[in-house]
Formats: sequence, structure tokens, C-alpha cells
Amino acid sequence: AQSVSQHNHHVILSEAASLELGCNYSYGGTVNLFWYVQYPGQHLQLLLKYFSGDPLVKGIKGFEAEFIKSKFSFNLRKPSVQWSDTAEYFCAVNDGGNTPLVFGKGTRLSVIA
Amino acid sequence: KAGVTQTPRYLIKTRGQQVTLSCSPISGHRSVSWYQQTPGQGLQFLFEYFSETQRNKGNFPGRFSGRQFSNSRSEMNVSTLELGDSALYLCASSDTMGVGETQYFGPGTRLLVL
Repeated sequence: AQSVSQHNHHVILSEAASLELGCNYSYGGTVNLFWYVQYPGQHLQLLLKYFSGDPLVKGIKGFEAEFIKSKFSFNLRKPSVQWSDTAEYFCAVNDGGNTPLVFGKGTRLSVIA
Repeated sequence: KAGVTQTPRYLIKTRGQQVTLSCSPISGHRSVSWYQQTPGQGLQFLFEYFSETQRNKGNFPGRFSGRQFSNSRSEMNVSTLELGDSALYLCASSDTMGVGETQYFGPGTRLLVL
């Protein structure tokens, strides 16, 4: 069965620092990849997704992610974080259409002034 | 369009009781998925319904069940509650869950079992 690893449980950054959150999935084939964010007290919302085409995808709020098939990775990046980016970030994968999402355990990001 | 709605938002039950949670998907969406979120296990898939049929099922005991109605609204039921069932239960909807489709999540129902 597919599994997803998020390497960092809790990341603490100062405002304006660059961010990279790691995500690896367990096996290849056709995959759809997602990053979701959960702000404090809010529901999960989609940051970005990849299912085909350009492996560098851009999402909302200045986030981007790069799909590297050979490394089974889909890392999330942002060049300069803001205090409002404090949230929990989840990487998720499904094996093509009509299959459920498999989530990583999440990375909590705390941005300090 | 209105987002995914879930009721109730909070629930307290005691061991042995049963509970029913409700989810209304985004208008026009036919697929509804349920997930359990806990601090230890993260987000785990329970089941998915599409056009009133269960299409996918996760690794949860038979005490967890669900159904979908003709208007795409879905309910999940947990019978004989255990302390470990305390969690945030999330519902997500999408049009068909086809390739590249996004699942949109509701705010969740937080269940506490005492």
C-alpha cells in the first residue's frame, strides 16, 4: 500500500526565512500529489497539486512544489515565509483517479517574528 | 458555491454508545470521502461513496459504516464507541474523484468519547 513520509514534525522559522518541507511517497506508477494546509482553527485547504505536466507546480500564497519522480519526492517550498504561514502542512498522494488520498503525518510550521 | 458542511461540529459521547455524523458536499459533487484525524495516526481514510455506492474502504473495523443519499449527502455511523474513537472526523467532496481532481474538506466533527 502507498505510504507518505514527511520528514519534519515541527519546523520553526523566522519571518522572511526560506521554507522547504520534505515529502516522499513509497512507490511509483501513476500518482497524483497534493499539499494541503490547515491553519489554526480552520479546515484543510488545498495549496497545490500535481497530476501531470510540468513537475514544478505553483500554488496559492507563493508556495510551490517540485515533483521528482526518481526520488519519489514532492517537496514544498516558499522563498520567504510570513507569520500568517503558521499552520500544519500535509502531503497527500493517490494512485490515479478514484483512489483515496493517503496523507503524511503532517509538519507543523511555526513562524516567529 | 457553499463549501462542505458537517454537523454536528462537536459531540461528546460515552463508551458503548453509537453516533451518526452528517456531511453535505459541495453542490454538484457526487463523491464523498470520510477521514479520521488523530494526533497519533494523522489522517486516515475511512470510506468513499459515489452515487450512493461505497467505492473505496479503508482499514477500519465494521463498527464504522456509512451511506450516501440520492442528493449526495452522506452519513457515517460508529457503533459501540470506544475511547480510541475520539478524533476529528473529516468529510471531503469532489465531483468524480477522477485523475487530478481535488477533494474539498469540511470543518470536521470533533468527537470525544468518555
